[in-house]
Amino acid sequence: EVQLVESGGGLVQPGGSLRLSCVVSGFTFSSYGMSWVRQAPGKGLEWVSRVSTSGGSTNYADSVEGRFTISRDNSKNTLYLQMNSLRAEDTALYYCAKQLAAAATFDFWGQGTLVTVSS
Amino acid sequence: EIVLTQSPATLSLSPGERATLSCRASQSVSSYLAWYQQKPGQAPRLVIFDASNRATGIPVRFSGSGSGTDFTLTISSLEPEDFAVYYCQHRSNWPLTFGGGTKVEIK
Repeated sequence: EVQLVESGGGLVQPGGSLRLSCVVSGFTFSSYGMSWVRQAPGKGLEWVSRVSTSGGSTNYADSVEGRFTISRDNSKNTLYLQMNSLRAEDTALYYCAKQLAAAATFDFWGQGTLVTVSS
Repeated sequence: EIVLTQSPATLSLSPGERATLSCRASQSVSSYLAWYQQKPGQAPRLVIFDASNRATGIPVRFSGSGSGTDFTLTISSLEPEDFAVYYCQHRSNWPLTFGGGTKVEIK
C-alpha cells in the first residue's frame, strides 16, 4: 500500500523557517518525481515545487522561488521542503504528492501538514 | 504561467443527473490536463490524466475530453459519493497550475 506521511508543520512567526518532511512507503521512491502542493484554508490547490528522481532537477512556483528549497533523500525514502523567510500568505496545508510515472500528474497524496505563519 | 479557468464555480445537481465541468487554459496545454476530486477534510484524488484517461479505480461514469485549451469532465450519472470539489491541473510546462475548482453540490 502506497503511503505518504508529512510532518514538520506548525506555528511560525513571519520571517521564520520551517522544514517539512514526507516519508513514503509502498513504492520505489527513487523512481518517481515528487512535488509539494499547498492549500490555504478554504482555498484551492497551489503547486509549490517539484524534484526529479535523483534530486538533481528542481522547479518552483514564482511565489516561493528563492525562499523554499525542495530536496530528497532516496536512502531514507524522504522528501523535504525547507521554507525560509515565511510570510502570512504561506499559511496552508502542505501536501506531498507522488508523480504518475514520468508525468507531473499526481496519483498519490499524503494527508498534509499544516503550516501557520502568524505573529 | 498558464492560467486555468474552471466553470461553473458551483454546480447544483441531483443524484442521477449528468454533470459537465469545464476547464479552459490561457494557452494550449496539448492533452496534458488532469482532473482531481477533493472531498472535505481529504487529500485530492486523481480522476483523469492526460485529458481522457481514467485513473486506477475510477468508475466508468467519469470521462474526460478535450485538447488544446478547452477541456471537459463529465460524470454521466451522479452518485452520492461524487459530490465534491473538482480541480483541473496542467503539466504542459513549469510552473504547474491548478484551476480554481468547481464544487458539485446536491440540489
